Amino acid sequence: EDQVTQSPEALRLQEGESSSLNCSYTVSGLRGLFWYRQDPGKGPEFLFTLYSAGEEKEKERLKATLTKKESFLHITAPKPEDSATYLCAVLPYGGATNKLIFGTGTLLAVQP
Amino acid sequence: NAGVTQTPKFRILKIGQSMTLQCAQDMNHNYMYWYRQDPGMGLKLIYYSVGAGITDKGEVPNGYNVSRSTTEDFPLRLELAAPSQTSVYFCASSYSFAGQGSSYEQYFGPGTRLTVT
Repeated sequence: EDQVTQSPEALRLQEGESSSLNCSYTVSGLRGLFWYRQDPGKGPEFLFTLYSAGEEKEKERLKATLTKKESFLHITAPKPEDSATYLCAVLPYGGATNKLIFGTGTLLAVQP
Repeated sequence: NAGVTQTPKFRILKIGQSMTLQCAQDMNHNYMYWYRQDPGMGLKLIYYSVGAGITDKGEVPNGYNVSRSTTEDFPLRLELAAPSQTSVYFCASSYSFAGQGSSYEQYFGPGTRLTVT
């Protein structure tokens, strides 16, 4: 069964304290892995797509990496405005429905 | 572009009432989706559509219906509301076609918070 597991469930950082969020996945074949940011009361906001092991994408203080079994979202010198829930999703190969499988997210709190 | 828009933002229903959640996108995306998000449970797919006139069930379709008469609109109908349908509902869209250029990422609306009492 295709599955996505995110860890930790919650993470509290001091401003400037770098860390990483993990997304482990089990799929028969990976078409793509997606990272989203979700602020309270808002819809998920698309951040990155990764397609193959070894690929990296960066945006400001965020860098996403991908291996054959997991993805990491590295946050360098975070600021309080980086506080949000970060969601990971995978798109398995097979079918034409483009149905994403989501993890339950990591709630990140960055304190000043 | 407004992206994906949803109305209403909030709604309280009594048990047994019906309502339609509206979703529209102006990005000319062919795929559209409805999800529900419950605390600690992640996003669950209710229904999806690969184009106008074509819809199919997701993981949790019971108690819901959809239609897609145009590329832009994808309303979700709740019949005979139940407390178990209390949730936050998100509509999303993406663009995909056979061949190069498909990106697969989904773009989400702001959500509708529904309470059934």
